[in-house]
Amino acid sequence: EPEVTQTPSHQVTQMGQEVILRCVPISNHLYFYWYRQILGQKVEFLVSFYNNEISEKSEIFDDQFSVERPDGSNFTLKIRSTKLEDSAMYFCASSEAGTSLTHEQYFGPGTRLTVT
Amino acid sequence: AQSVSQHNHHVILSEAASLELGCNYSYGGTVNLFWYVQYPGQHLQLLLKYFSGDPLVKGIKGFEAEFIKSKFSFNLRKPSVQWSDTAEYFCASDKFYFGSGTKLNVKP
Repeated sequence: EPEVTQTPSHQVTQMGQEVILRCVPISNHLYFYWYRQILGQKVEFLVSFYNNEISEKSEIFDDQFSVERPDGSNFTLKIRSTKLEDSAMYFCASSEAGTSLTHEQYFGPGTRLTVT
Repeated sequence: AQSVSQHNHHVILSEAASLELGCNYSYGGTVNLFWYVQYPGQHLQLLLKYFSGDPLVKGIKGFEAEFIKSKFSFNLRKPSVQWSDTAEYFCASDKFYFGSGTKLNVKP
């Protein structure tokens, strides 16, 4: 069964450094998403991406964040200057279409980001 | 603002006990609702979803949920849990709002 993959599984970085989290969505999917879950808190939506542009984003997704689909398979989340409060599990997801069109999201295993 | 809330943060049951996990949403318009499960060390997986039609939705592994519009609720149920149901369960809406999750621990 096809699945969403994410690398690395765990990233440790120093405050102020840039990090890039990578995701490979399911190949025939068209919509891509990033979520984060701070330890002990709820899963929070960051951004959705379709047709090479951001379709929706949350208040969390400020100028420090960016997303890119650099080639036909990868979908990346970049945090330009990490802060301690960026420490979280970051989940990538993809779907055949937007969820309002009855297509479910398939989630990757997550990348645990630790900012020291 | 739209939100999804789960009031049970941690539930402990014995095998064969019945399960009901609460989920409430706050949104006045058309809403699509989901339950996801995350088994230890695994991805989030979809258990079931509600878009329209029959408010009683059946999902995988014997789970079901009932959409009650008057109560803004979408509770997850299973008549008889198994040890393998030990996991974290998330209610979510289609506007990317997730509840805080409920950790279910089933004792053998």
